[in-house]
Amino acid sequence: DAGVIQSPRHEVTEMGQEVTLRCKPISGHNSLFWYRQTMMRGLELLIYFNNNVPIDDSGMPEDRFSAKMPNASFSTLKIQPSEPRDSAVYFCASSPDRGRQETQYFGPGTRLLVL
Amino acid sequence: EDQVTQSPEALRLQEGESSSLNCSYTVSGLRGLFWYRQDPGKGPEFLFTLYSAGEEKEKERLKATLTKKESFLHITAPKPEDSATYLCAVSGGSYIPTFGRGTSLIVHP
Repeated sequence: DAGVIQSPRHEVTEMGQEVTLRCKPISGHNSLFWYRQTMMRGLELLIYFNNNVPIDDSGMPEDRFSAKMPNASFSTLKIQPSEPRDSAVYFCASSPDRGRQETQYFGPGTRLLVL
Repeated sequence: EDQVTQSPEALRLQEGESSSLNCSYTVSGLRGLFWYRQDPGKGPEFLFTLYSAGEEKEKERLKATLTKKESFLHITAPKPEDSATYLCAVSGGSYIPTFGRGTSLIVHP
């Protein structure tokens, strides 16, 4: 298995531009998580999907952030408009979700820099 | 609200010098405690899951233990390749994991 796949790996954009991050979870995993990691705040959960349905989006910073999971093999995290404070590494993780709390498998991350 | 505190924030060891990392937690109904390793520029990589107090798990030079309030990651005779940031996370009633800030470990040859 290729593991969790994220794209792009690096993104540099200017303030005000739209940014779309993509994630392909491990096949057969039912749960998908988007995280943001910064030096100041560590690893923060943004949103959690189970069976393609958003379960908890309380970590989404504000209306500029949105996430979708149209099918079991694809998810996007969109920031519109982007701001310099959104600069961070964004991770996608998936989990088998067999009813007992399962291990999360993380992707390599997207390093976002908003100028 | 679930909370995880890791200590120390940073640790420098000489190769072969054993030590332990601490993860203190508060959670409503522990479902699992997780240890991850994160190398620079990469995503966290799973190491262990512990589900109940008294449980222990080992992998090579690493051993994780769990009590009702904390977990320890023991590193025996570390090597330079063990250098990384070690993250602890807990999952409670909400199933949503809460991560600690991590311990940055550097092992000098």
